[in-house]
Amino acid sequence: EVQLVESGGGLVKPGGSLRLSCGASGFSFTNAWMSWVRQAPGKGLEWIGRIKSKTDYGTTDHTPVKGRFTISRDDSRNTLYLQMNSLKTEDTAVYYCTTISAYSLDFWGQGALVTVSS
Amino acid sequence: VLTQSPGTLSLSPGDRATLSCRASQSVSNRYLAWYQQKPGQAPRLLISGASSRATGIPDRFSGSGSGTDFTLTISRLEPEDFAVYYCQHYDTSLSLSFGGGTKVEIK
Repeated sequence: EVQLVESGGGLVKPGGSLRLSCGASGFSFTNAWMSWVRQAPGKGLEWIGRIKSKTDYGTTDHTPVKGRFTISRDDSRNTLYLQMNSLKTEDTAVYYCTTISAYSLDFWGQGALVTVSS
Repeated sequence: VLTQSPGTLSLSPGDRATLSCRASQSVSNRYLAWYQQKPGQAPRLLISGASSRATGIPDRFSGSGSGTDFTLTISRLEPEDFAVYYCQHYDTSLSLSFGGGTKVEIK
């Protein structure tokens, strides 16, 4: 069974940093392309970016607005990361990690809530 | 840009639901997907490649369309189908985008 478990969410002050983790199991993480999606309270889904598998050079693509965010992976730990810097109040959202398969996001974690507030 | 309509659909169990997703320019069917999200839950993939149901998705859900116009149809609404539905386009070279969502609510 595919499982994605996000952790590391919480309350952070504007201008602060936070790193989310996503532990993966039940599939070959090494070969998987992964992504992060967020959802502000009461709003729709917003894609943050993706990271390819190492066999596909492990390159990342981020949306321009997310220049403050960096996606990385540790295949030895089956873990995906989202490093978020210079956080703003508008970054308050639930953050989901997902797998990417056949041009869609086929498995999602339960989400991690990040609240940016003074 | 993906535009979904209507914003809200008020229907009764047993009704047929027709949800629209319109792209600002023509997209390949391969890159069009649909998701369902219930309150407090993560989204779930329903349809990929515009018309292929994901594993475990009941056959009352179907996707169709091409070019700029795509449709998600729920043939007979079950109580558990009342949720928000999102379409998504995957641009292999640049990014991925979602429509604004359609809420299917009980009338």
